[in-house]
Amino acid sequence: IVMTQSPLFLPVTPGEPASISCRSSQSLLHSNGYNYLDWYLQKPGQSPQLLIYLGSNRASGVPDRFSGSGSGTDFTLKISRVEAEDVGIYYCMQGRRTPPSFGQGTRLEIK
Amino acid sequence: EVQLLESGGGLVQPGGSLRLSCVASGFTFSSYAMSWVRQAPGTGLEWVLGISASGTYTYKADSDSGRFAISRDNSKNTLYLHMNSLRSEDTAVYYCAKGCSGVDCYLGNFDYWGQGALVTVSS
Repeated sequence: IVMTQSPLFLPVTPGEPASISCRSSQSLLHSNGYNYLDWYLQKPGQSPQLLIYLGSNRASGVPDRFSGSGSGTDFTLKISRVEAEDVGIYYCMQGRRTPPSFGQGTRLEIK
Repeated sequence: EVQLLESGGGLVQPGGSLRLSCVASGFTFSSYAMSWVRQAPGTGLEWVLGISASGTYTYKADSDSGRFAISRDNSKNTLYLHMNSLRSEDTAVYYCAKGCSGVDCYLGNFDYWGQGALVTVSS
């Protein structure tokens, strides 16, 4: 499954919202009703960290300014108010089919 | 506190072999699927291999060349990545990642990652 993110570069003013789109070449919706889509953030010099799993569930400790939505082949990660600590590269990843596959990444930068 | 500590990385010549280890702590290792994910310099993330909680099932891409293998020793809380016939394009940071458990588990939901082990394949 090919994952396509947009935009690839996202400059944002602190306090402003941000949105990243992720599209999959096949549906990620399982018969159990779950979309097998995760969002990860890799901050500079760090290992990736899980933000969202199953399309819309925030991982433990993730601020509520992060939200995930979408179903099937179209997904969105939204940050309601960007903070300086949110800089890094955001990846979507599908787990519906083996092998799991990541999007190209979206680099978020603070203006 | 969950911790994943990789080791075994280093410089290896093309065609050589290497085994990475990932020692887990802070959770019931034997209850969770695990995966290896790599990141070549300046590039994105690439899933490598996965393994079920018990170790009974391993997961790979259909295009997998068979040069890499994943295993685990639940008595030692350790995940392994066995790499053979290494090529320059295998140069990357290799992360072990903790997956999920339970009925609706899938190859994802990687909620903890190690710090990464750098593998450099070069003559």
